[in-house]
Amino acid sequence: EVQLLESGGGLVHPGGSLRLSCAASGFTFNNYAMTWVRQAPGKGLEWVSVISGSGGTTYYADAVKGRFTISRDNSKNTLYLQMNSLRAEDTAVYYCAKDRTIFGVGDYWGQGSLVTVSS
Amino acid sequence: QSVLTQPPSVSAAPGQKVTISCSGGSSNIENNYVSWYQQLPGTAPKLLIYDNNERPSGIPDRFSGSKSGTSAILGITGLQTGDEADYYCGTWDSSLSAGVFGTGTKVTVL
Repeated sequence: EVQLLESGGGLVHPGGSLRLSCAASGFTFNNYAMTWVRQAPGKGLEWVSVISGSGGTTYYADAVKGRFTISRDNSKNTLYLQMNSLRAEDTAVYYCAKDRTIFGVGDYWGQGSLVTVSS
Repeated sequence: QSVLTQPPSVSAAPGQKVTISCSGGSSNIENNYVSWYQQLPGTAPKLLIYDNNERPSGIPDRFSGSKSGTSAILGITGLQTGDEADYYCGTWDSSLSAGVFGTGTKVTVL
């Protein structure tokens, strides 16, 4: 059974940093691209970033480019999202998702981790 | 703001059919595969349709997807109260080199 479990969310001040993790199980992790998608309270889905199975290719949304870094440790079956220079508008539930291709937007999603940026 | 446009809401009586449109452009829908997601209140999105019209195992054939040019459509037949949810389309945008989602559509069963 595929499982994706996000962790690392919480309350952070504007300008602060946070690192999200996504622990994966039930599939061959390095065969799949992994994506982060966020959803602000009461709003729609917003794609954030994707990384290829090998970790060699990454893409970012303009809204987070230069502030967020996606990475993965295939030996630990874990995906990461390092978030720096956080802003109030980054407040959202962050979901990790797997996909067959780096050009997909997710075929199975975790339950999400809430990040709140507030003073 | 979302690159893909969906109607804010659709509604129908139990047993009826609804369709949800997703309008985009040549850099996204027209030249990339479209996926559709269902998000029940308080839960994570769930994949309903991938590669424009394919259903993952376990998704009933009441859900269908199609694509023509720069638009895609999700159809739900035999509407049930459990289908009340938000629905999103998603795809890759080759110009942005980024994933994009639709604005979302709330389905109400009357």
